[in-house]
Amino acid sequence: ETGVTQTPRHLVMGMTNKKSLKCEQHLGHNAMYWYKQSAKKPLELMFVYNFKEQTENNSVPSRFSPECPNSSHLFLHLHTLQPEDSALYLCASSPRDRGYEQYFGPGTRLTVT
Amino acid sequence: GENVEQHPSTLSVQEGDSAVIKCTYSDSASNYFPWYKQELGKRPQLIIDIRSNVGEKKDQRIAVTLNKTAKHFSLHITETQPEDSAVYFCAVSGGYNKLIFGAGTRLAVHP
Repeated sequence: ETGVTQTPRHLVMGMTNKKSLKCEQHLGHNAMYWYKQSAKKPLELMFVYNFKEQTENNSVPSRFSPECPNSSHLFLHLHTLQPEDSALYLCASSPRDRGYEQYFGPGTRLTVT
Repeated sequence: GENVEQHPSTLSVQEGDSAVIKCTYSDSASNYFPWYKQELGKRPQLIIDIRSNVGEKKDQRIAVTLNKTAKHFSLHITETQPEDSAVYFCAVSGGYNKLIFGAGTRLAVHP
C-alpha cells in the first residue's frame, strides 16, 4: 500500500523540540488532510487542504503548523508540544470528484516527553 | 455541528456469527456514510460506503443499511472470521470534503 506515505513512522520529541511530519500521496488527488488519533477517541480532523489552499482549521493550537506546497505533499510542523499531543497523526487524501472518499497513510506515532 | 455516535464500543462474537454496529448522526443534510476498518497498527481503510439515495448496499459478507428518517446507519458483517477482528469506524459527511467520525467499535472474532 504505497498510495499515501508518511514519514517518519515513529517520532519521540521533547517539549522544546521542533520537528516536521511529512505526507506524500501518489494517487493524483487534490485534497489532503491531517487527523489526530488518540486512544479511545474519534478521529479528530485537524486541517484540510484543497488544491494547496487551506479550507479547514479545526481550532488547532498554533503549535501545529501545516504546510501544503503542492497537491502531492503535506507537512505538519511541530513546536513546543505538550505531552497530551502524543498520538497517532494520520494523513489522508481524496480525489477532486469524490472528496469524501478518503485514503489514509500509515500514520506517524508521536510521543512527546 | 454534526455529531456522530457509534455503538457498541466493543463487540465480541464467535466465528461464524454476525456482527452489527450502529451509528446515529444529527445533521439531516449529510449524504455520504462510509465505514472504515483499522487493523492493529495499520491505517484506516474504507471497506464500504453508502449515499443518501440508497437504503442498503452489500459487498460479499458486509452490508450497510441507512435509515435517513431516523438518521442512523448500520454495518452488518455475516459469517465473521478471525481476520475481521479490528476497529471499525463509521463516518458522516459534514461539509465540503469533511468527514465526521464515530468513536469506533473494537470487534473481536473468536475462533
